Amino acid sequence: SQQGEEDPQALSIQEGENATMNCSYKTSINNLQWYRQNSGRGLVHLILIRSNEREKHSGRLRVTLDTSKKSSSLLITASRAADTASYFCAPQETSGSRLTFGEGTQLTVNP
Amino acid sequence: NAGVTQTPKFQVLKTGQSMTLQCAQDMNHNSMYWYRQDPGMGLRLIYYSASEGTTDKGEVPNGYNVSRLNKREFSLRLESAAPSQTSVYFCASNSGTDGSSGNTIYFGEGSWLTVV
Repeated sequence: SQQGEEDPQALSIQEGENATMNCSYKTSINNLQWYRQNSGRGLVHLILIRSNEREKHSGRLRVTLDTSKKSSSLLITASRAADTASYFCAPQETSGSRLTFGEGTQLTVNP
Repeated sequence: NAGVTQTPKFQVLKTGQSMTLQCAQDMNHNSMYWYRQDPGMGLRLIYYSASEGTTDKGEVPNGYNVSRLNKREFSLRLESAAPSQTSVYFCASNSGTDGSSGNTIYFGEGSWLTVV
């Protein structure tokens, strides 16, 4: 299995601004997933994008995937204080293979 | 539908003591996982089980053992706890098959373990 590397490590923005987080990985993938972790809680799945997809939306979330660059980005639009959390990407090499996680991006949204 | 349930939520152990973290899922998932997360760090995979009756080592298996008791339950045992095992432990599961939901992993709420 491979783990993604999130960038930046930490991001601090004002409420209402957009937040962009990036993820890079090393080998070919079947899909890439993004998770959120609120302080003291387990990870929660946000969105999955398959290798044959380039962009996917879910509410205020927009995920892009560039398999040629082996990178993905997560955009949160019109951020809210409740979006404060750590965000992790998880590239999955083959369907059903185990997931490993990097250190995440710590997002702080200031009211 | 409780999802992934792990117990206990908090535990303090003395060095050398043993304990078992319990995990159960009610989603009929094939695959189950144990991760640990140290302060300010990401998750590291300790052990996983792709299906009932099978277990495999992850990134940091030393000092741990696991049992996939049945399809629902996957326990993690610390035989002789060490201060380096102070961490938050997360159990997780997924279908392990490429269904319409892909391979979304569902996590428990974590078990805070302190070894003194």
